[in-house]
Amino acid sequence: EVQLVESGGGLVQPGASLKLSCVASGFTFSDYWMSWVRQTPGKTMEWIGDIKYDGSYTNYAPSLKNRFTISRDNAKSTLYLQMSNVRSEDTATYYCTRESDKPEDYWGQGVMVTVSS
Amino acid sequence: DIVMTQTPSSQAVSAGEKVTMSCKSSQSLLYNENKKNYLAWYQQKPGQSPKLLIYWASTRESGVPDRFIGSGSGTDFTLTISSVQAEDLAVYYCQQYYNFPYTFGAGTKLELK
Repeated sequence: EVQLVESGGGLVQPGASLKLSCVASGFTFSDYWMSWVRQTPGKTMEWIGDIKYDGSYTNYAPSLKNRFTISRDNAKSTLYLQMSNVRSEDTATYYCTRESDKPEDYWGQGVMVTVSS
Repeated sequence: DIVMTQTPSSQAVSAGEKVTMSCKSSQSLLYNENKKNYLAWYQQKPGQSPKLLIYWASTRESGVPDRFIGSGSGTDFTLTISSVQAEDLAVYYCQQYYNFPYTFGAGTKLELK
């Protein structure tokens, strides 16, 4: 069974940094592109970016590229999202997703990030 | 970025009804080389993560009931539920994966009449 389990969320102050993790199981992690998608409290969905199966290439939403970095550790079957200089508008639920020849075909349960002083 | 526009934003339905919802993109999602439309539909039930229902505009994901039907091409797409069941009450999102960044519509919420 495919499982994606995110962690690392919580309450963070504006301007701070935060790193989210996603541990994958139930499939060969190193065979798949992986991505992050976020959903605001108002339920707007935003695709953040993705990373190639070997970690050699990434794509980002232009509006987030300068502050967010996606990486992976295939030995640990773990995907990461490094967030820097966070703002109130980054408050959202962050989902780790798997990509294949289909778009996001599996989603984690999500992790909440709240940016507030 | 490609803008995805979904209508209606919400719809009240009764069990057994046929339901249609629309998704329009600001540019064509049809890739001429393979004749595929890079359009997906997701279902999100309250308190749950989104679930992939349809990809390539009309291909049902494994395990998705055949009452869910995706159609359309180019810039105009439709998700039809042939006979709505109580468990179908959810928010439905369309997403384009033709261009980066992938973008989502604002969703159509199905509610009980």
